[in-house]
Amino acid sequence: DQQVKQNSPSLSVQEGRISILNCDYTNSMFDYFLWYKKYPAEGPTFLISISSIKDKNEDGRFTVFLNKSAKHLSLHIVPSQPGDSAVYFCAASAGGNEKLTFGTGTRLTIIP
Amino acid sequence: NAGVTQTPKFQVLKTGQSMTLQCAQDMNHEYMSWYRQDPGMGLRLIHYSVGAGITDQGEVPNGYNVSRSTTEDFPLRLLSAAPSQTSVYFCASSPRVVSNQPQHFGDGTRLSIL
Repeated sequence: DQQVKQNSPSLSVQEGRISILNCDYTNSMFDYFLWYKKYPAEGPTFLISISSIKDKNEDGRFTVFLNKSAKHLSLHIVPSQPGDSAVYFCAASAGGNEKLTFGTGTRLTIIP
Repeated sequence: NAGVTQTPKFQVLKTGQSMTLQCAQDMNHEYMSWYRQDPGMGLRLIHYSVGAGITDQGEVPNGYNVSRSTTEDFPLRLLSAAPSQTSVYFCASSPRVVSNQPQHFGDGTRLSIL
């Protein structure tokens, strides 16, 4: 049972345009959500997070939106840059617990 | 600041062999964990520790042992390797003084079991 789902295995976006990565979850106990970025042969790197008490969090070019009623979150990258090409993982946890449940990842390719 | 260090980076084992994957962090983090990443599966939690002397099972613990004798180190042991354990293994850590702190990951150990 996949509790965190990233239904798009891959996404290609033109440089300078907006990249939108989506994530859905089924466990209503999840209250903290994170996005990680992963380059080949490296470990995941934390990008941005959001608590369930918020519906939006921004950090520079990165914004995460949370829709609790739809159990859906999205990551917006504006403007997209070639260095953003990587695999992006959505993750979730419940009740302040550090145990993370990850999605299967979306490979983002930025086209120059 | 080294962060989370994993050794070795690559390893090939034969079925039935044993080995230990090492993980060390220099950030004085209380929480440490091990994940495995398989194609199409994302990262899955194997074992975790909330402090020295305390460990617990994650989602996929079978075939793996852990111990936490110091804050810095959290080794993962495969007692009798099986081909199903071929994977990329990641160690992660985070502080516990405040909840909901992002975890810092090492660069992984790529393990092949023949």
